[in-house]
Amino acid sequence: QVQLVQSGAEVKKPGASVKVSCKASGYTFSYYDIYWVRQATGQGLEWMGWVNPKSGNTVSAQKFQGRVTLTKNTSINTAYMELGSLRSEDTAVYFCARRNNLYYYGLDVWGQGTTVIVSS
Amino acid sequence: QSVLTQPPSASGTPGQRVTISCSGSSSNIGRNYVCWYQQFPGTAPKLLIYGNNQRPSGVPDRFSGSKSGTSASLAISGLRSEDEAVYYCAPWDDSLNGSVFGGGTKLTVL
Repeated sequence: QVQLVQSGAEVKKPGASVKVSCKASGYTFSYYDIYWVRQATGQGLEWMGWVNPKSGNTVSAQKFQGRVTLTKNTSINTAYMELGSLRSEDTAVYFCARRNNLYYYGLDVWGQGTTVIVSS
Repeated sequence: QSVLTQPPSASGTPGQRVTISCSGSSSNIGRNYVCWYQQFPGTAPKLLIYGNNQRPSGVPDRFSGSKSGTSASLAISGLRSEDEAVYYCAPWDDSLNGSVFGGGTKLTVL
């Protein structure tokens, strides 16, 4: 079945970087953009950016520009989100999602989420 | 703080009809399609409505969406206890070149 499976939870110190993976299966990986969204505990959803798996083109939310790197490896159907210069406010659950043009760019398949804790 | 405004909470009794609003601007709702997502605690969001008023397969027709100008609404009719969740509106935003999210509305079924 169509699914996105993310890497496991991470605990990082302030100033470090974290890299979250998102492995796609059940569909042609290059056909759909991968979106990244995060959610701090008890807070709403916040978009971070997206990557086109075919071209590698990326767009990042202004808030994260310079700190976030979105990449992909089409040979293993996996997208990555790396966030650097971590601070405590980056503690959140990070989701990847598939953006489906047939659904007017709705995010129709989501990963299970990856918890990232930033603590000294 | 989101560029979209949703009421933080909404409530209704079983069987009632509830509406959740989402107010935006010309760069997002005014010019683009709106999606709505449903999220239960501890789980990933689920696409509920796309293209302003379309439902993915499997979403009950109790859920409906609409848009007018720079505002959008999600209506839930025949409210059920299992509808208790947080609902997010999410249009594309041309100025941000991304899909932005409203602050979310927590729906309580009384």
